[in-house]
Amino acid sequence: QVQLKESGPGLVQPSQTLSLTCTVSGFSLTSYNVHWVRQPTGKGLEWMGVIWTGGSTDYNSALKSRLSISRDTSKSQVFLKMNSLQTEDKATYYCARGEFDYWGQGVMVTVSS
Amino acid sequence: DIQMTQSPSSLSASLGDRVTITCRASQDIGNYLTWFQQRPGKSPRLMIYGATNLGDGVPSRFSGSRSGSDYSLTISSLESEDTAIYYCLQCDKYPPYTFGAGTKLELK
Repeated sequence: QVQLKESGPGLVQPSQTLSLTCTVSGFSLTSYNVHWVRQPTGKGLEWMGVIWTGGSTDYNSALKSRLSISRDTSKSQVFLKMNSLQTEDKATYYCARGEFDYWGQGVMVTVSS
Repeated sequence: DIQMTQSPSSLSASLGDRVTITCRASQDIGNYLTWFQQRPGKSPRLMIYGATNLGDGVPSRFSGSRSGSDYSLTISSLESEDTAIYYCLQCDKYPPYTFGAGTKLELK
């Protein structure tokens, strides 16, 4: 069955880089796009970016200068890297399949020294 | 960027009530509108896609409609398990995909 699972450190220091992994199963990254979406605690959803089936990417312009999404199709993994983290980047980070029909459980990230 | 204006921001209704949530798009997005349900502590769940199509396993009391640039999610008869926050998402003109701000649905 289709599954997505986010993993990564729950705590990142200010100004450092966040690295998250989305490991998928039940589908191929060459057949479905994968999005990253984040949600600050108690707030709404923000689309961050997408990696398309061909490997190209698109980003939210608000994050574009700090954000990078990549993948390893052989491992069925999608990676998110975002640098210069600040306290306002504290959120739950989700990956979601192409039409947003399947989501991971999310990983909560805190930014603190 | 396309703005999605969602209303109301919160809603209190009784069991069995008919409930409607609306999103208005700032530009034409055709039928590229998706609705999600998010229960506390859970990931969003796709409820409606293509403005009017029911997602897999979604109860038939949920429906979606469109009138011009206004998109609605309707619950025909509210059940207790429907208490959640509902979000719309435009999937037409990207980047960026844009979500509505959310509607918190509670039981009266």
